[in-house]
Amino acid sequence: DVKVTQSSRYLVKRTGEKVFLECVQDMDHENMFWYRQDPGLGLRLIYFSYDVKMKEKGDIPEGYSVSREKKERFSLILESASTNQTSMYLCASMVYRDNYGYTFGSGTRLTVV
Amino acid sequence: GESVGLHLPTLSVQEGDNSIINCAYSNSASDYFIWYKQESGKGPQFIIDIRSNMDKRQGQRVTVLLNKTVKHLSLQIAATQPGDSAVYFCAENHHNNDMRFGAGTRLTVKP
Repeated sequence: DVKVTQSSRYLVKRTGEKVFLECVQDMDHENMFWYRQDPGLGLRLIYFSYDVKMKEKGDIPEGYSVSREKKERFSLILESASTNQTSMYLCASMVYRDNYGYTFGSGTRLTVV
Repeated sequence: GESVGLHLPTLSVQEGDNSIINCAYSNSASDYFIWYKQESGKGPQFIIDIRSNMDKRQGQRVTVLLNKTVKHLSLQIAATQPGDSAVYFCAENHHNNDMRFGAGTRLTVKP
């Protein structure tokens, strides 16, 4: 089974800090994604990547950046954390074979104080 | 912008009954849809998918129905069990490989 591992389950950071959320997948998938999940809003796409060093903006990229230096790792960066970035962050990976099904990590709950 | 949405945010059913979770989508160009289940403390997990050239697909205890005329998707769970309690999301293939998700419906199964 594909495993998508997010490095932290819970994080508490201060306003203005630079925050790194790490995601690693072990099945050589080309596509990786970062979503944030908020009550009543579902999952909203922040950034995604089709391959190493490639990145594309999703629906809500403002305040975020990403890095994909290796195929298995996709990092989400909050350049200067703000309280409105308090959320659950979900990483996913996918390779198209028979379907577009994503495999998600367990999520990182980030609180910015 | 175009988006995926759900009719009901919560659904409560009796154990053993059938559950129906609905989803409306607005992007008529979407050609692929997935239902995900998210249990507490976990990431969403793939349940079942359907392509736009189909109107029905069945899995184990689950059926997805697609009505392209009214842009509506539903997930039917037969003989709902306590382990089915979760949040259910529909998702549509936006373009290429990225998916767009609805807000989710919380299903609660009463014993």
